[in-house]
Amino acid sequence: DQQVKQNSPSLSVQEGRISILNCDYTNSMFDYFLWYKKYPAEGPTFLISISSIKDKNEDGRFTVFLNKSAKHLSLHIVPSQPGDSAVYFCAATGSARQLTFGSGTQLTVLP
Amino acid sequence: DGGITQSPKYLFRKEGQNVTLSCEQNLNHDAMYWYRQDPGQGLRLIYYSQIVNDFQKGDIAEGYSVSREKKESFPLTVTSAQKNPTAFYLCASSSRNSATNEKLFFGSGTQLSVL
Repeated sequence: DQQVKQNSPSLSVQEGRISILNCDYTNSMFDYFLWYKKYPAEGPTFLISISSIKDKNEDGRFTVFLNKSAKHLSLHIVPSQPGDSAVYFCAATGSARQLTFGSGTQLTVLP
Repeated sequence: DGGITQSPKYLFRKEGQNVTLSCEQNLNHDAMYWYRQDPGQGLRLIYYSQIVNDFQKGDIAEGYSVSREKKESFPLTVTSAQKNPTAFYLCASSSRNSATNEKLFFGSGTQLSVL
């Protein structure tokens, strides 16, 4: 039973345009959400997070939106750059403070 | 430079053999974790340790064992009981004292393959 789902295994966007990566969750007890970025043969690196008390968090080109009623969050990257090409993992945690990861979305930014 | 070091980067296991993956951190983090990544899947938690000399099973602990004798080290042994060990293994750590200790810091991973 996947509690965190990333239904799009891949996404391609043109350089300079917006990239929108989506994530859905089923566990209503999740209260903190994170995005990680991973390059091939490397470990993931933390990108941005959001608490359930907020609906938006912004950090430079990256913005995460949380819709609790829909149990949905999204990561927006504006403008997209070729260096953003990577696998993006959504993760969630609740009172147990253990991360549950989605299956990832491969983002390719085309020059 | 503070960070997490995993070794080796590539490892091959023969049938019936136990192999140990190394993970060392100098971030002074209390908590350490082992995850497994398979193609097209998310990271799945194998074992975690919140403090020295204590560790807990994650979602897929069968066929694996760990030890936490030192704060800096959290080695993972893939035993012969693990029938499908081929995967990319990631070690991570976090600070228990952080308000957001879910911000894991990951090593660069070990790719384990079966001969």
